[in-house]
Amino acid sequence: NAGVTQTPKFQVLKTGQSMTLQCAQDMNHNSMYWYRQDPGMGLRLIYYSASEGTTDKGEVPNGYNVSRLNKREFSLRLESAAPSQTSVYFCASSEFAGGLIYEQYFGPGTRLTVT
Amino acid sequence: EDQVTQSPEALRLQEGESSSLNCSYTVSGLRGLFWYRQDPGKGPEFLFTLYSAGEEKEKERLKATLTKKESFLHITAPKPEDSATYLCAVVFGNEKLTFGTGTRLTIIP
Repeated sequence: NAGVTQTPKFQVLKTGQSMTLQCAQDMNHNSMYWYRQDPGMGLRLIYYSASEGTTDKGEVPNGYNVSRLNKREFSLRLESAAPSQTSVYFCASSEFAGGLIYEQYFGPGTRLTVT
Repeated sequence: EDQVTQSPEALRLQEGESSSLNCSYTVSGLRGLFWYRQDPGKGPEFLFTLYSAGEEKEKERLKATLTKKESFLHITAPKPEDSATYLCAVVFGNEKLTFGTGTRLTIIP
């Protein structure tokens, strides 16, 4: 099992360019998440999808959009990149059943620089 | 506002020198607490889940405990390969994880 995979691993964008970060999981998890990690600020939730067909905003959704393509895949889109979006982006997935919160499993991350 | 605070920010230990990392939180319906390990340039790796006060989990040299207001990650006789950043995350009523900023642990041979 590959677990959670993310592409690309690294990306450099110019201000105003757009791009899509891809995420896939092979653990048959219902829930998927996108986080960003910045020095001194910890991991912050951008968007999440509790199940296929649903998406919700997290703590820092401005400037991003998401698509839950199917149960395996959850993509994050930057429509017009800004330097403030320079960060490391992590995708995660977890099981969710009967109200019990399960651990999340993380991908290796995408390191994005916006100049 | 619910918050998660980890201390210390950084910790340097000699190999074999045991210590503890702290994760404290303001509670509004705690539903679970998670410990992760993160190596430089990699994603967080899951270690433990704790659901209720009094619960303990162990794995090799690591032991996690939970009280009503805080959790400890005890490291016994650490080795250099235990060097990493350790992250604590808490789930409150809204089912979303709130992460602390981590403790950067360095084990000196």
